[in-house]
Amino acid sequence: EIVLTQSPGTLSLSPGERATLSCRASQSVSSNYLAWYQQKPGQAPRLLIYAASSRATGIPDRFSGSGSGTDFTLSISRLEPEDFAIYYCQQHGNSPFTFGPGSKVDFK
Amino acid sequence: QVQLVQSGAEVTNPGASVKVSCKASGFTFTSYGFSWVRQAPGQGLEWLGWISAHTGIIYYADNFQDRVTMTTDTSTSTAYMELRSLRFDDTAVYYCARDYISGQSSSWYLCVHWGQGTLVTVSS
Repeated sequence: EIVLTQSPGTLSLSPGERATLSCRASQSVSSNYLAWYQQKPGQAPRLLIYAASSRATGIPDRFSGSGSGTDFTLSISRLEPEDFAIYYCQQHGNSPFTFGPGSKVDFK
Repeated sequence: QVQLVQSGAEVTNPGASVKVSCKASGFTFTSYGFSWVRQAPGQGLEWLGWISAHTGIIYYADNFQDRVTMTTDTSTSTAYMELRSLRFDDTAVYYCARDYISGQSSSWYLCVHWGQGTLVTVSS
Protein backbone atom coordinates (compact mmCIF):
# COMPACT_ATOMS: atom_id res chain seq x y z
CA GLU A 1 0.00 0.00 0.00
CA ILE A 2 1.27 3.46 -0.91
CA VAL A 3 1.27 5.85 2.06
CA LEU A 4 0.88 9.53 1.18
CA THR A 5 2.24 12.28 3.41
CA GLN A 6 1.16 15.89 2.98
CA SER A 7 2.88 19.05 4.12
CA PRO A 8 2.46 21.47 5.62
CA GLY A 9 -0.39 20.45 7.87
CA THR A 10 -1.66 24.03 7.88
CA LEU A 11 -0.67 26.93 5.67
CA SER A 12 -1.69 30.41 6.79
CA LEU A 13 -1.85 32.92 3.94
CA SER A 14 -3.67 36.02 2.75
CA PRO A 15 -5.80 36.40 -0.38
CA GLY A 16 -3.62 37.11 -3.40
CA GLU A 17 -0.67 35.11 -2.09
CA ARG A 18 0.67 31.91 -3.64
CA ALA A 19 0.06 28.55 -1.96
CA THR A 20 2.32 25.55 -2.45
CA LEU A 21 1.26 22.19 -1.03
CA SER A 22 3.31 19.00 -1.07
CA CYS A 23 2.33 15.34 -1.31
CA ARG A 24 5.01 12.68 -0.90
CA ALA A 25 4.44 8.98 -1.60
CA SER A 26 6.14 6.07 0.19
CA GLN A 27 6.88 4.51 -3.22
CA SER A 28 6.69 5.62 -6.82
CA VAL A 29 3.15 6.37 -8.01
CA SER A 30 2.29 4.38 -11.10
CA SER A 31 2.10 6.53 -14.24
CA ASN A 32 2.21 9.60 -11.95
CA TYR A 33 -1.49 9.08 -11.30
CA LEU A 34 -1.79 11.55 -8.43
CA ALA A 35 -4.94 13.59 -7.85
CA TRP A 36 -5.79 16.61 -5.71
CA TYR A 37 -9.15 17.41 -4.13
CA GLN A 38 -10.50 20.46 -2.34
CA GLN A 39 -12.96 20.18 0.53
CA LYS A 40 -14.86 22.94 2.28
CA PRO A 41 -16.75 22.49 5.57
CA GLY A 42 -19.98 20.55 5.21
CA GLN A 43 -19.35 19.76 1.54
CA ALA A 44 -18.21 16.76 -0.44
CA PRO A 45 -14.70 17.02 -1.86
CA ARG A 46 -14.16 18.38 -5.37
CA LEU A 47 -11.65 17.01 -7.86
CA LEU A 48 -9.11 19.64 -8.92
CA ILE A 49 -6.18 17.84 -10.57
CA TYR A 50 -5.60 14.29 -11.81
CA ALA A 51 -2.64 12.47 -13.34
CA ALA A 52 -0.39 14.95 -11.51
CA SER A 53 -1.03 17.94 -13.77
CA SER A 54 -4.36 17.67 -15.62
CA ARG A 55 -7.03 20.08 -14.45
CA ALA A 56 -10.51 18.68 -14.01
CA THR A 57 -13.43 20.23 -15.86
CA GLY A 58 -14.23 23.75 -14.73
CA ILE A 59 -11.21 24.19 -12.47
CA PRO A 60 -9.64 27.69 -12.72
CA ASP A 61 -6.15 27.90 -14.14
CA ARG A 62 -4.78 29.39 -10.92
CA PHE A 63 -4.69 25.74 -9.75
CA SER A 64 -1.79 23.73 -11.13
CA GLY A 65 -0.23 20.39 -10.31
CA SER A 66 3.27 19.12 -10.91
CA GLY A 67 5.62 16.35 -9.90
CA SER A 68 6.50 12.77 -10.63
CA GLY A 69 7.59 9.57 -8.96
CA THR A 70 7.18 10.20 -5.24
CA ASP A 71 7.03 14.00 -5.00
CA PHE A 72 4.05 16.06 -6.12
CA THR A 73 2.96 19.66 -5.67
CA LEU A 74 -0.30 21.57 -5.87
CA SER A 75 0.11 25.28 -6.48
CA ILE A 76 -2.50 28.00 -6.23
CA SER A 77 -1.06 31.05 -7.95
CA ARG A 78 -3.18 33.77 -6.30
CA LEU A 79 -5.46 32.76 -3.48
CA GLU A 80 -9.07 33.78 -3.80
CA PRO A 81 -11.28 33.88 -0.67
CA GLU A 82 -13.06 30.71 -1.82
CA ASP A 83 -9.76 28.77 -1.95
CA PHE A 84 -9.39 28.61 1.82
CA ALA A 85 -10.15 24.96 2.41
CA ILE A 86 -8.58 21.54 3.02
CA TYR A 87 -6.68 19.87 0.19
CA TYR A 88 -6.18 16.11 -0.14
CA CYS A 89 -3.99 14.14 -2.50
CA GLN A 90 -4.90 10.64 -3.70
CA GLN A 91 -2.94 8.19 -5.79
CA HIS A 92 -5.06 6.55 -8.50
CA GLY A 93 -2.37 4.39 -10.06
CA ASN A 94 -2.64 1.16 -8.10
CA SER A 95 -5.19 -0.22 -5.66
CA PRO A 96 -5.60 0.59 -2.81
CA PHE A 97 -6.16 4.16 -4.02
CA THR A 98 -5.09 5.85 -0.82
CA PHE A 99 -5.60 9.44 0.28
CA GLY A 100 -3.17 11.69 2.09
CA PRO A 101 -4.07 13.22 5.48
CA GLY A 102 -4.81 16.66 4.05
CA SER A 103 -3.38 20.17 4.21
CA LYS A 104 -5.43 23.09 5.43
CA VAL A 105 -5.10 26.53 3.87
CA ASP A 106 -6.45 29.13 6.26
CA PHE A 107 -6.47 32.89 6.64
CA LYS A 108 -3.42 34.53 8.11
CA GLN B 1 -26.56 16.36 -15.42
CA VAL B 2 -24.66 13.81 -13.36
CA GLN B 3 -26.38 13.10 -10.05
CA LEU B 4 -25.55 10.66 -7.29
CA VAL B 5 -28.22 10.56 -4.60
CA GLN B 6 -27.40 8.60 -1.47
CA SER B 7 -29.70 7.05 1.10
CA GLY B 8 -30.49 8.80 4.35
CA ALA B 9 -28.71 8.91 7.66
CA GLU B 10 -28.51 5.73 9.73
CA VAL B 11 -28.16 5.10 13.45
CA THR B 12 -27.14 1.59 14.30
CA ASN B 13 -25.73 -0.55 17.09
CA PRO B 14 -22.24 -1.97 17.45
CA GLY B 15 -21.97 -5.35 15.76
CA ALA B 16 -24.77 -4.61 13.30
CA SER B 17 -24.52 -3.98 9.56
CA VAL B 18 -25.41 -0.99 7.43
CA LYS B 19 -26.10 -0.78 3.70
CA VAL B 20 -25.81 2.57 1.95
CA SER B 21 -27.21 3.14 -1.52
CA CYS B 22 -26.13 5.55 -4.25
CA LYS B 23 -28.63 6.09 -7.06
CA ALA B 24 -27.13 7.44 -10.26
CA SER B 25 -28.75 9.48 -13.02
CA GLY B 26 -27.72 11.63 -15.95
CA PHE B 27 -25.25 9.17 -17.48
CA THR B 28 -24.90 5.56 -18.60
CA PHE B 29 -24.42 3.72 -15.32
CA THR B 30 -22.62 0.70 -16.77
CA SER B 31 -19.87 2.82 -18.35
CA TYR B 32 -18.35 3.85 -15.04
CA GLY B 33 -16.80 2.76 -11.78
CA PHE B 34 -17.81 3.85 -8.31
CA SER B 35 -15.66 4.51 -5.26
CA TRP B 36 -16.72 4.57 -1.64
CA VAL B 37 -14.94 6.98 0.68
CA ARG B 38 -15.64 7.77 4.31
CA GLN B 39 -14.83 10.66 6.61
CA ALA B 40 -15.02 10.38 10.38
CA PRO B 41 -15.98 13.55 12.27
CA GLY B 42 -13.17 16.09 12.00
CA GLN B 43 -10.94 13.62 10.18
CA GLY B 44 -9.60 13.10 6.67
CA LEU B 45 -10.80 11.01 3.76
CA GLU B 46 -10.48 7.22 3.85
CA TRP B 47 -10.82 5.13 0.68
CA LEU B 48 -12.91 1.98 1.16
CA GLY B 49 -13.00 0.51 -2.31
CA TRP B 50 -14.05 0.72 -5.97
CA ILE B 51 -16.41 -1.28 -8.13
CA SER B 52 -16.89 -1.31 -11.89
CA ALA B 53 -20.56 -1.22 -12.92
CA HIS B 54 -19.46 -2.65 -16.28
CA THR B 55 -17.24 -5.59 -15.40
CA GLY B 56 -18.03 -6.15 -11.74
CA ILE B 57 -14.33 -5.91 -10.87
CA ILE B 58 -13.91 -4.80 -7.27
CA TYR B 59 -10.97 -3.44 -5.29
CA TYR B 60 -11.24 -3.19 -1.51
CA ALA B 61 -9.00 -1.40 0.95
CA ASP B 62 -6.99 -3.89 2.98
CA ASN B 63 -8.43 -2.66 6.27
CA PHE B 64 -12.00 -3.40 5.15
CA GLN B 65 -11.53 -6.51 3.01
CA ASP B 66 -13.32 -8.79 5.47
CA ARG B 67 -16.14 -6.41 6.49
CA VAL B 68 -17.27 -4.60 3.35
CA THR B 69 -19.23 -5.67 0.28
CA MET B 70 -19.79 -3.42 -2.73
CA THR B 71 -22.39 -4.23 -5.34
CA THR B 72 -24.25 -2.60 -8.20
CA ASP B 73 -27.77 -3.04 -9.56
CA THR B 74 -27.74 -2.08 -13.22
CA SER B 75 -31.54 -2.32 -13.48
CA THR B 76 -31.91 0.61 -11.08
CA SER B 77 -28.53 2.33 -11.69
CA THR B 78 -27.70 2.02 -8.04
CA ALA B 79 -24.45 1.22 -6.25
CA TYR B 80 -24.42 -0.22 -2.74
CA MET B 81 -21.92 -0.47 0.08
CA GLU B 82 -22.53 -2.77 3.02
CA LEU B 83 -20.33 -2.61 6.11
CA ARG B 84 -20.66 -5.37 8.73
CA SER B 85 -19.61 -5.83 12.35
CA LEU B 86 -19.87 -2.12 12.96
CA ARG B 87 -17.76 -0.47 15.65
CA PHE B 88 -18.01 2.93 17.30
CA ASP B 89 -15.14 4.19 15.15
CA ASP B 90 -17.11 3.39 11.98
CA THR B 91 -19.16 6.51 12.72
CA ALA B 92 -18.56 8.68 9.65
CA VAL B 93 -20.01 10.26 6.56
CA TYR B 94 -19.89 7.74 3.75
CA TYR B 95 -19.60 9.05 0.19
CA CYS B 96 -20.02 7.37 -3.17
CA ALA B 97 -18.23 8.88 -6.16
CA ARG B 98 -18.20 8.19 -9.89
CA ASP B 99 -15.00 7.99 -11.89
CA TYR B 100 -13.85 8.82 -15.43
CA ILE B 101 -13.72 12.03 -17.36
CA SER B 102 -14.83 11.53 -20.95
CA GLY B 103 -11.88 10.96 -23.26
CA GLN B 104 -9.34 10.85 -20.45
CA SER B 105 -8.04 7.31 -19.95
CA SER B 106 -6.00 8.49 -16.98
CA SER B 107 -9.16 9.31 -15.03
CA TRP B 108 -10.30 5.80 -14.09
CA TYR B 109 -10.62 5.13 -10.35
CA LEU B 110 -10.88 8.85 -9.58
CA CYS B 111 -13.65 10.48 -7.58
CA VAL B 112 -14.95 12.88 -10.23
CA HIS B 113 -18.57 13.28 -9.17
CA TRP B 114 -19.63 12.83 -5.55
CA GLY B 115 -22.84 11.97 -3.77
CA GLN B 116 -24.07 14.14 -0.94
CA GLY B 117 -22.83 11.75 1.74
CA THR B 118 -24.62 9.52 4.24
CA LEU B 119 -24.00 9.90 7.96
CA VAL B 120 -23.72 6.54 9.69
CA THR B 121 -23.71 6.74 13.47
CA VAL B 122 -22.77 3.70 15.52
CA SER B 123 -24.14 4.08 19.01
CA SER B 124 -25.39 1.90 21.81
